[in-house]
Amino acid sequence: QKEVEQDPGPLSVPEGAIVSLNCTYSNSAFQYFMWYRQYSRKGPELLMYTYSSGNKEDGRFTAQVDKSSKYISLFIRDSQPSDSATYLCAMNAGGFKTIFGAGTRLFVKA
Amino acid sequence: NAGVTQTPKFQVLKTGQSMTLQCAQDMNHNSMYWYRQDPGMGLRLIYYSASEGTTDKGEVPNGYNVSRLNKREFSLRLESAAPSQTSVYFCASSERGGASNQPQHFGDGTRLSIL
Repeated sequence: QKEVEQDPGPLSVPEGAIVSLNCTYSNSAFQYFMWYRQYSRKGPELLMYTYSSGNKEDGRFTAQVDKSSKYISLFIRDSQPSDSATYLCAMNAGGFKTIFGAGTRLFVKA
Repeated sequence: NAGVTQTPKFQVLKTGQSMTLQCAQDMNHNSMYWYRQDPGMGLRLIYYSASEGTTDKGEVPNGYNVSRLNKREFSLRLESAAPSQTSVYFCASSERGGASNQPQHFGDGTRLSIL
């Protein structure tokens, strides 16, 4: 069983939709939770970074962490075609080793 | 500002050949990382360098060696390439390591095929 599970998709939504992306994990030592966005043929770039449980909002993006359920989510409001990318969840227990999910491919149709 | 630069962008090798992937960052970051990305597997850490002069194994180090040449440069070497090492390789850097090793800034990858 992988430490981090993420549905690979693809997920296809119309422009303006609310998108929900999710990951589950098994290691209760994870304390730091990240979402990276990766465009085709590019490296990942950090979108959201949260510590422990709770919500964090940044513009159209909201990250949620539920440590009791070992479940994290990323919500994208008013989705745009430019949001079409692969979204990677990532987690860290406090050291140098960050564990990444396999990524969910998102397509936002104009 | 270039950020993290990886060379080459593409490479095809034959089984048994050797190769060094180059990475350089211009952000004065202390920590650097090498990952591989395979379909369905996500990014997996090969080696990392917490600071200049140190290197440590990650999740999948077998078949690879690294050198932290100076604060800017971190290279990855395949001594005897195998088809299982066909992948996209990403270099990343972060200002600090440990609990605050985010954000990691990534290069655009080296696409490596081994025949």
